Amino acid sequence: AQSVAQPEDQVNVAEGNPLTVKCTYSVSGNPYLFWYVQYPNRGLQFLLKYITGDNLVKGSYGFEAEFNKSQTSFHLKKPSALVSDSALYFCAVRSGNTGKLIFGQGTTLQVKP
Amino acid sequence: EAGVAQSPRYKIIEKRQSVAFWCNPISGHATLYWYQQILGQGPKLLIQFQNNGVVDDSQLPKDRFSAERLKGVDSTLKIQPAKLEDSAVYLCASSAGDTSFYNEQFFGPGTRLTVL
Repeated sequence: AQSVAQPEDQVNVAEGNPLTVKCTYSVSGNPYLFWYVQYPNRGLQFLLKYITGDNLVKGSYGFEAEFNKSQTSFHLKKPSALVSDSALYFCAVRSGNTGKLIFGQGTTLQVKP
Repeated sequence: EAGVAQSPRYKIIEKRQSVAFWCNPISGHATLYWYQQILGQGPKLLIQFQNNGVVDDSQLPKDRFSAERLKGVDSTLKIQPAKLEDSAVYLCASSAGDTSFYNEQFFGPGTRLTVL
């Protein structure tokens, strides 16, 4: 069965420092991976996706993610965090023939000034 | 481009009552999804439509939940009767084209349901 794990409930980082939000996955076949962000009282917003090709994927708001097949990971990164990046981040994997998304439990990112 | 619209944004009901949520996807998006997001968890797919046909409803509690997508556009999700454990945010999402693995989903703001 397809699954996604986000091992950290919360990540704290100082503004201006690099950030990493971790995600590992388990799939049969090729992985199709996504990152979404959720701000309070708002729906999920798409950040980036990995389908195939270059292992480093660039997305919205300066975020990027590194796909590592041997470690079955898809960590979200940003070189310099902003206070406005504080939000709830979800990793997801596409599953089955219908393409439904399986989400991780989410990681709260707290960026402090 | 207008986003996915949902209403109401908040709903409080007593257990055993019924409730309905409405979703209007992005214009032209063929695929529509309903997710349930319980506090502290990631969203879980309840049902997926391709145009007005059901593609996946394997995790929909069919004894109390129902959904329809008439004319392949708007959709409603109904709960009857509601239980305490149905308290959650109900998210609607849509994506372009068919159930392609490559298309990202666009989410609405959600309906926060509280069952007392």
